[in-house]
Amino acid sequence: KQEVTQIPAALSVPEGENLVLNCSFTDSAIYNLQWFRQDPGKGLTSLLLIQSSQREQTSGRLNASLDKSSGRSTLYIAASQPGDSATYLCAVRLIFSNFGNEKLTFGTGTRLTIIP
Amino acid sequence: DAGVIQSPRHEVTEMGQEVTLRCKPISGHDYLFWYRQTMMRGLELLIYFNNNVPIDDSGMPEDRFSAKMPNASFSTLKIQPSEPRDSAVYFCASSPTGNNEKLFFGSGTQLSVL
Repeated sequence: KQEVTQIPAALSVPEGENLVLNCSFTDSAIYNLQWFRQDPGKGLTSLLLIQSSQREQTSGRLNASLDKSSGRSTLYIAASQPGDSATYLCAVRLIFSNFGNEKLTFGTGTRLTIIP
Repeated sequence: DAGVIQSPRHEVTEMGQEVTLRCKPISGHDYLFWYRQTMMRGLELLIYFNNNVPIDDSGMPEDRFSAKMPNASFSTLKIQPSEPRDSAVYFCASSPTGNNEKLFFGSGTQLSVL
């Protein structure tokens, strides 16, 4: 069974700093890995998706990397801003599942606070 | 498009009562997913539909939980009878394909069972 872990559960950094969020998974037979953002009282918004054949994806100040062999992904946020404060979740989609490829396994998230 | 719409936003009920959560997916999306989020277990898939047909309900915790999708624009998740351990945030999400590359979440229903 795929397990996805995100450590730390919470992180506080001063505004302007660069930071890295971590995600690890136990089954390397993944189809893709996705990073989401969740604001309080809101649903999840997709940030970046990395296919299993890719090593990284970038969007603005965000960069996500994937190392399948070690079962790790990182989300790098450059020049952090107070608006980046949110919970960040990673999710992996397995190549094989009982009914198809649709099932995602989520980590429990890292709650990020950017201190002005 | 207004996105995925869930109602109610908050529900407080007493143990043993029936609870019905509602979801309107984005028009044209053929896939609909129900998730549950708790502090202990994180976000878990309960059930998903493709073209209104339930495909995988292996995440539904007990027979007390049931979900329906009578048409392409409406789905319900029902808990009967409800228990305190059902307290969680329930999310609905929809996708135009089964691929998670385009997965859109609603704002969730915060359920508290007293």
